[in-house]
Amino acid sequence: SSELTQDPAVSVALGQTVRITCQGDSLRSHYASWYQQKPGRAPVLVAYARGNRPSGIPDRFSGSSSGNTASLTITGAQAEDEADYYCNSRDSNDNHVIFGGGTKVTVL
Amino acid sequence: QVQLQESGPGLVKPSETLSLTCVVSGYSITSGFFWGWIRQAPGKGLECIGSMYYSGSTYYNPSLNSRVTISIDKSKNHFSLELDSVTAADTAVYYCARGEQRSGFDYPIFYFEYWGRGTVVTVSS
Repeated sequence: SSELTQDPAVSVALGQTVRITCQGDSLRSHYASWYQQKPGRAPVLVAYARGNRPSGIPDRFSGSSSGNTASLTITGAQAEDEADYYCNSRDSNDNHVIFGGGTKVTVL
Repeated sequence: QVQLQESGPGLVKPSETLSLTCVVSGYSITSGFFWGWIRQAPGKGLECIGSMYYSGSTYYNPSLNSRVTISIDKSKNHFSLELDSVTAADTAVYYCARGEQRSGFDYPIFYFEYWGRGTVVTVSS
């Protein structure tokens, strides 16, 4: 399958925890990666697979996976975490790369 | 440090070919990894146009497959995108990125770790 589905928007109180989900058939055989995008900027990789982060990414960002659903959890959300978040994987046949539709996170 | 920089015309006429180049510094593109193009239409999400493995295999978005060509120029350490027969729907910010697929986990994982800053392409007469 070639689709990843995300909720369009979520909100979180400052300092609280928010989970963003991504669903798709490809996630039964591939881990997801997660990107943060702020207005006018290129996406930034923030998490991938289970619990992995590139260097320099705060440990409040954590990825997880179960069945056909991947999740990005932000523990102790900060004002600077307000952004769009996209999940990504290769499709089920290991061919082209697919992105979810994105989730806008608002920090209240 | 790996850096990528897109370049190309900011305005393309309908039915013509969009051509972009991504210059890579800090890494030889023939040494490994995937090299991809991703676009974002105004107010929309990310869409992967396609990617090329350093060895030459290409993986194109099925919805664009018939119009897309990605190629690598080893001598200039850059890779290119050509998108034929463009329409207004191809107006977007175009990003180039370096992709990596890793095994060693329960499942394979793919991600784009390094991105260019993006270039705006408008399709209009």
